[in-house]
Amino acid sequence: DVKVTQSSRYLVKRTGEKVFLECVQDMDHENMFWYRQDPGLGLRLIYFSYDVKMKEKGDIPEGYSVSREKKERFSLILESASTNQTSMYLCASRAPGGIYGYTFGSGTRLTVV
Amino acid sequence: DQQVKQNSPSLSVQEGRISILNCDYTNSMFDYFLWYKKYPAEGPTFLISISSIKDKNEDGRFTVFLNKSAKHLSLHIVPSQPGDSAVYFCAGGAGNNRKLIWGLGTSLAVNP
Repeated sequence: DVKVTQSSRYLVKRTGEKVFLECVQDMDHENMFWYRQDPGLGLRLIYFSYDVKMKEKGDIPEGYSVSREKKERFSLILESASTNQTSMYLCASRAPGGIYGYTFGSGTRLTVV
Repeated sequence: DQQVKQNSPSLSVQEGRISILNCDYTNSMFDYFLWYKKYPAEGPTFLISISSIKDKNEDGRFTVFLNKSAKHLSLHIVPSQPGDSAVYFCAGGAGNNRKLIWGLGTSLAVNP
């Protein structure tokens, strides 16, 4: 069974901390994505990567960066966490082309205090 | 500019009845559409898809209808069950474009 694994289900961090959210997929997918989900705002794309060391900004990249050193791992970095980054963070991967959708991880609920 | 719109933030249905979730889109370039279901504190899971060359796709209790002239699709769940209570997201995709375009979701509550 294909899998996207996010390293933490729940995280509590302090304002100003540097936060790393890790995501690993075992499907050999080229494309990986980071979203955040907030009530009433749907799924908003932060960054995505279509190959190792390649990345593109999504709709809301401010305050975030990403790293993709290996195909299976895509990390989201909050350079200096702020309270407005409290959210559910979702990682997804996708095979290229076709009518294939995303496979999502279970999500990380991040609270910044 | 929202290319995929789910105009009903929430929907409440009695168990055993039909649930109809609607989605409108503006981008004629979409080749396919997907529906995802999301429970609280979990990631979305794929439910059903439809190619733009079809007008209907059925999978068990779930059927998606596509009306291209109206740029409208709908997800029918028959019969609805309490376990179907979740947020449902509609998304559109085009060709080899890596990104899906998502609606804001509809929260479905199925009451016993």
